[in-house]
Amino acid sequence: GEEVAQTPKHLVRGEGQKAKLYCAPIKGHSYVFWYQQVLKNEFKFLISFQNENVFDETGMPKERFSAKCLPNSPCSLEIQATKLEDSAVYFCASSQSGAGYNEQFFGPGTRLTVL
Amino acid sequence: GIQVEQSPPDLILQEGANSTLRCNFSDSVNNLQWFHQNPWGQLINLFYIPSGTKQNGRLSATTVATERYSLLYISSSQTTDSGVYFCAVGNTGTASKLTFGTGTRLQVTL
Repeated sequence: GEEVAQTPKHLVRGEGQKAKLYCAPIKGHSYVFWYQQVLKNEFKFLISFQNENVFDETGMPKERFSAKCLPNSPCSLEIQATKLEDSAVYFCASSQSGAGYNEQFFGPGTRLTVL
Repeated sequence: GIQVEQSPPDLILQEGANSTLRCNFSDSVNNLQWFHQNPWGQLINLFYIPSGTKQNGRLSATTVATERYSLLYISSSQTTDSGVYFCAVGNTGTASKLTFGTGTRLQVTL
């Protein structure tokens, strides 16, 4: 599609439950990024993919968080055993491949509330 | 890692006024983007500007890469310009992760 699509828009989970978020990048874009926005003004990079391969996972918490991008499927970000501190808006972004095509385009986000 | 500072943190303008938002960064970059996050939380791409000057309607931006800063100009502000403006930079090559500043919260009043 022409825009990055994210589902669901809102997700509410009890502490300890699993949460799974989905992202469909812009058609033709090779890179997918996940960011977490906490407290409105603080963005944290989580992980990026080049097609199905992990490209940069330096921001990914080692426990409880996992992500995949499989062929012909939306990318996913999964949080096992959610904690209150996981409450945030999770943004997905995509970009084209190649030097000079670094602009990232963001989806509308998924708001996760952990109770 | 790279540090990104934005100023001012908050700005209140009357409709029709002009403003300049600043973004300083601590290292050379190969990606710099300005975003507007509207009151509904949507992140809107304003400019992709790792260097040079661009204009889009009432908005323009300049990045002086050698001096490690970027400026976003808003002219004749409107109430719909309200929201938070973020600068984000990448400095690790192709498909670099973005490091965001803490934003400038703009409120435009009638």
